[in-house]
Amino acid sequence: EDKVVQSPLSLVVHEGDTVTLNCSYEVTNFRSLLWYKQEKKAPTFLFMLTSSGIEKKSGRLSSILDKKELSSILNITATQTGDSAIYLCAEHFMNNDMRFGAGTRLTVKP
Amino acid sequence: DAGVTQSPTHLIKTRGQQVTLRCSPKSGHDTVSWYQQALGQGPQFIFQYYEEEERQRGNFPDRFSGHQFPNYSSELNVNALLLGDSALYLCASSFSPQGARGYTFGSGTRLTVV
Repeated sequence: EDKVVQSPLSLVVHEGDTVTLNCSYEVTNFRSLLWYKQEKKAPTFLFMLTSSGIEKKSGRLSSILDKKELSSILNITATQTGDSAIYLCAEHFMNNDMRFGAGTRLTVKP
Repeated sequence: DAGVTQSPTHLIKTRGQQVTLRCSPKSGHDTVSWYQQALGQGPQFIFQYYEEEERQRGNFPDRFSGHQFPNYSSELNVNALLLGDSALYLCASSFSPQGARGYTFGSGTRLTVV
């Protein structure tokens, strides 16, 4: 069964630090890879990456897909306490199934 | 413009009982997907409804069933509840041509089975 694996599972940093979150996926029927931020309950969309591998940026957040390594990273620079959340990556398949990783719990301390 | 609305927000049921969870999609969305998120885990895909039919199903037993109504709202039914069914149940709606990029999640229903 295809798996989406995220690392680390949890991370504690201080404000101003830069963090890199990792996600590996499996290639069968790959359509796109998505990143979400889950603060309380509802995950909110961050990025969608396709096999074109173009880096996406939004303010202090950026993400890129490495299709050779079957992985993606999410970078957050100059972290703030408001960045504290669970970050989920999900692989979207051609059949519309979407498979999530277990998430990385990020805690940003003042 | 209301986002995705789920009800109830919390629910406690006894093992063996049946439960129905409800989801109203975001305005303009026609597709509803249901996910189960156990504590400390990522969401797991249950099934997706489009045009009142189950379009895709994840690896969940037949105890999990659903329905989509003509107004695009959806229900998730779980029969013969087990303790392991305790989880946050998330509904996500989208407009079919947009695919996963257009997913909007609701705040979920927290189900506790005792």
